[in-house]
Amino acid sequence: DVKVTQSSRYLVKRTGEKVFLECVQDMDHENMFWYRQDPGLGLRLIYFSYDVKMKEKGDIPEGYSVSREKKERFSLILESASTNQTSMYLCASTGYNQPQHFGDGTRLSIL
Amino acid sequence: GNSVTQMEGPVTLSEEAFLTINCTYTATGYPSLFWYVQYPGEGLQLLLKATKADDKGSNKGFEATYRKETTSFHLEKGSVQVSDSAVYFCALIQMTGSARQLTFGSGTQLTVLP
Repeated sequence: DVKVTQSSRYLVKRTGEKVFLECVQDMDHENMFWYRQDPGLGLRLIYFSYDVKMKEKGDIPEGYSVSREKKERFSLILESASTNQTSMYLCASTGYNQPQHFGDGTRLSIL
Repeated sequence: GNSVTQMEGPVTLSEEAFLTINCTYTATGYPSLFWYVQYPGEGLQLLLKATKADDKGSNKGFEATYRKETTSFHLEKGSVQVSDSAVYFCALIQMTGSARQLTFGSGTQLTVLP
């Protein structure tokens, strides 16, 4: 089975902090994705990556950056956290012609 | 661009009731269509999929048929159980650059009462 692991289930940070959310997949997938999930808005794509060191903006990239130094790891970075970034963050990965596999999510609270 | 519209929730049913969650889409070309399920406290899991018109995806008693003429992919189950309580997301896939990108609906919360 594909395993997508997000480093934290729950995280509490303060406004202005730099926050790192980590995601690791074990199936050698090329594509990895970061979404945020908010009530009534469904899932919105923040960034995705289709190869090491490659990244593309999704629908809501403002206030975020990403890093993909190794194929199995895709990091989401909040450069200066703000309260409107309190959300559930979901990581996903997929190989060629396969459905996306999701991690369990990180519930991030910015105080 | 592509979009997915699904039935707003929350939906509350009694055990053994019939379930329909409507999903319609707007897309160029011929997207693949998916239903994902999110149980409380967990990430999303693929429930079923259909890759071309008239395909029927099915899993765990759930079914959905890819209807190109009505651009719909409605989720159905004949007899729901308490364990089906979850949030259900309809989604389609598109190519963006070199990546396959999912577009999600807003999700429908289902609660099944014993």
